[in-house]
Amino acid sequence: QSVLTQPPSVSGAPGQRVTISCTGSSSNIGANYGVHWYQQLPGTAPKLLIYGNSNRPSGVPDRFSGSKSGTSASLAISGLQAEDEADYYCQSYDSSLSSVVFGGGTKLTVL
Amino acid sequence: QLQLQQSGPGLVKPSQTLSLTCAISGDSISSNSAAWNWIRHSPSRGLEWLGRTYYRSKWYNDYAVSVKSRIIINPDTSKNQFSLQLNSVTPEDTAVYYCARREGGYFDLWGRGTLVTVSS
Repeated sequence: QSVLTQPPSVSGAPGQRVTISCTGSSSNIGANYGVHWYQQLPGTAPKLLIYGNSNRPSGVPDRFSGSKSGTSASLAISGLQAEDEADYYCQSYDSSLSSVVFGGGTKLTVL
Repeated sequence: QLQLQQSGPGLVKPSQTLSLTCAISGDSISSNSAAWNWIRHSPSRGLEWLGRTYYRSKWYNDYAVSVKSRIIINPDTSKNQFSLQLNSVTPEDTAVYYCARREGGYFDLWGRGTLVTVSS
C-alpha cells in the first residue's frame, strides 16, 4: 500500500479535461514538501511532468498543470490527446519515514 | 549529452547479490546539488525508492527502511558512475530497477531501466 493515494484509473474522451488526485498526510504533502508528477509510457522510464507542485519542465505542454491544497495534490490534463494515455505517478517526501514516497499510480485511458 | 546508462545482469538466483551500475554522462557524480538514486518498480510494490548517494564536501548515503539491512550504493568517482548491491535477494525483489538523478526534491533524469528477475 502506497503512502500517497491515487485512483487506480481515470478516463476521458479526446479534447476533454481530466484530473488525477494524490492524497497524503501531515507528514508528507501536508508538511509542505513539494509534490511532483511523472508520466510513464509503456516500456519506458518515468518522465518528469510537474515539479514543485505546479511547475512544468521545459518541453512539457501547458495542457498539463498541477496544484496542491492541504494534504492533497492534483494533476489536470486538458485537451486530452491519444498520446496522453499512460500511467501517472505523484511523488513527495515523508518526514516520518525519512524517505521519498510515491503514489500507487493512475492509468489514464483516452476513450 | 545528459544521460544515465545502466548495466548489469537481468537474472539473479535467490539468496545471491543483485548488482547494477549506472554511468553518468553530462554531469558529475560529485555534484554539490544532485543526489544519485536507485528506484525499482514492480506490480506488487509500485514505484519504490531504494536509496541514494550524494556528495556535500563528503559522501553520504541514505537507504529505505525496507532494504536497509541488504543494500549498498557506492559512488565511483574515477568512472563517474554509481552502483547498487542488494544482498540476499528473493523473488520479491524481481522488478525493473532504475537509476535516477534527484535535484530539488524531484527526479529529473532517469536511466532506461533494467528488468531483474530473481529465479533459480
